[in-house]
Amino acid sequence: EIVMTQSPATLSVSPGERATLSCRASESVSSNLAWYQQKPGQAPRLLIYGASTRATAIPARFSGSGSGTELTLTISSLQSEDFAVYYCQQYSNWPLTFGGGTKVEIK
Amino acid sequence: EVHLVESGGGLVQPGGSLRLSCAASGFTFSIYAMTWVRQAPGKGLEWVSGISSSGGRTSYADSVKGLFTISRDNSKNTLYLQMNSLRAGDTALYFCAKSTRIEAPGPLDSWGQGTLVTVSS
Repeated sequence: EIVMTQSPATLSVSPGERATLSCRASESVSSNLAWYQQKPGQAPRLLIYGASTRATAIPARFSGSGSGTELTLTISSLQSEDFAVYYCQQYSNWPLTFGGGTKVEIK
Repeated sequence: EVHLVESGGGLVQPGGSLRLSCAASGFTFSIYAMTWVRQAPGKGLEWVSGISSSGGRTSYADSVKGLFTISRDNSKNTLYLQMNSLRAGDTALYFCAKSTRIEAPGPLDSWGQGTLVTVSS
């Protein structure tokens, strides 16, 4: 199975600042990579798929980049509602696999 | 609007069985692959199993292979997860999620709110 590793585990950011989250795959996933946001007590929400395509109704401050084994989620200017846990997930092959998550917290 | 509603969770003793259901509405259920994902308390997301739109192709995480069985009834717009020989490590909130694809693995664009499974004596 493809192992997904996210870094950092926790990211402390001030509102209005940029956040950069990394996701590394143990083998190439091409662009078959999604990012999800999860807030406490809620189900995950799809943010990005195809490594860089925003899902429906996702604000433009969220962007994804990279392909292969190194992928990145950038939040250009953090808003209060963006403090949450973010997961990457590869869907290049079954079994699908998630990264361990990055918690974005208020600095 | 897509709605996914899980049910069937509860408290079960180690070694016991449960059958989870996920009732789908708001989209053409029969043309999308579906997935179960779980989340242990305070932990991250773990993909459990997936099934193609027709039900002809299934896949499982190594941790549940041979113990869990995914299935679907397209006439009832319902996804199932039969869980046997449950262990404490299976304690989690179980989500069903809709894929954007028909057969192949894909991103999960809609999620239910989950059903809690607790395995304890």
